Amino acid sequence: DAKTTQPPSMDCAEGRAANLPCNHSTISGNEYVYWYRQIHSQGPQYIIHGLKNNETNEMASLIITEDRKSSTLILPHATLRDTAVYYCIGAYAGNNRKLIWGLGTSLAVNP
Amino acid sequence: DAGITQSPRHKVTETGTPVTLRCHQTENHRYMYWYRQDPGHGLRLIHYSYGVKDTDKGEVSDGYSVSRSKTEDFLLTLESATSSQTSVYFCAISEGQGLGYGYTFGSGTRLTVV
Repeated sequence: DAKTTQPPSMDCAEGRAANLPCNHSTISGNEYVYWYRQIHSQGPQYIIHGLKNNETNEMASLIITEDRKSSTLILPHATLRDTAVYYCIGAYAGNNRKLIWGLGTSLAVNP
Repeated sequence: DAGITQSPRHKVTETGTPVTLRCHQTENHRYMYWYRQDPGHGLRLIHYSYGVKDTDKGEVSDGYSVSRSKTEDFLLTLESATSSQTSVYFCAISEGQGLGYGYTFGSGTRLTVV
């Protein structure tokens, strides 16, 4: 599975968009990009995933570059409750054994 | 999280004692997983199950065993706890194999081995 690289920490002002980058230069054509987040001491929570096209749901938007070497998770209007560690994972949809979670990006949303 | 519960939430145990953690789901999902999370490491898979009595090892399975006698319950046992097994343990479930089906995680069990 693809290894991803994320900045260890980021800050964002409340109400502003939070843009979290992820590099996945070794991702293969059939590997999806998944985003999860983990709010302090809780289990990770699914946010969004995509393969080639940009995706949007009620939580976030996912922008994947055309060469699929990187992506950006966008929280359009960050709130204090979005403070969490965000994980970007490259994986085949049907693979559950070799998922590499990494350390993620710790996002602090400030008032 | 709704549909998945872990017990106990916190446990302190002594080195050398057996410990069993329980994961219970009400979603009737086929796949269940046990992960551990430690500072400086991402989530690491210990064991997973793809059905009743069907289990397989993950990347950090040494010192752990699992059992699944019912769809809804997945037990993780530390036969003889060691200090290196102090960690936060998360259970997860999925309807199918892999992240493509989405993982739902429990709230975790914080285990301290003294």
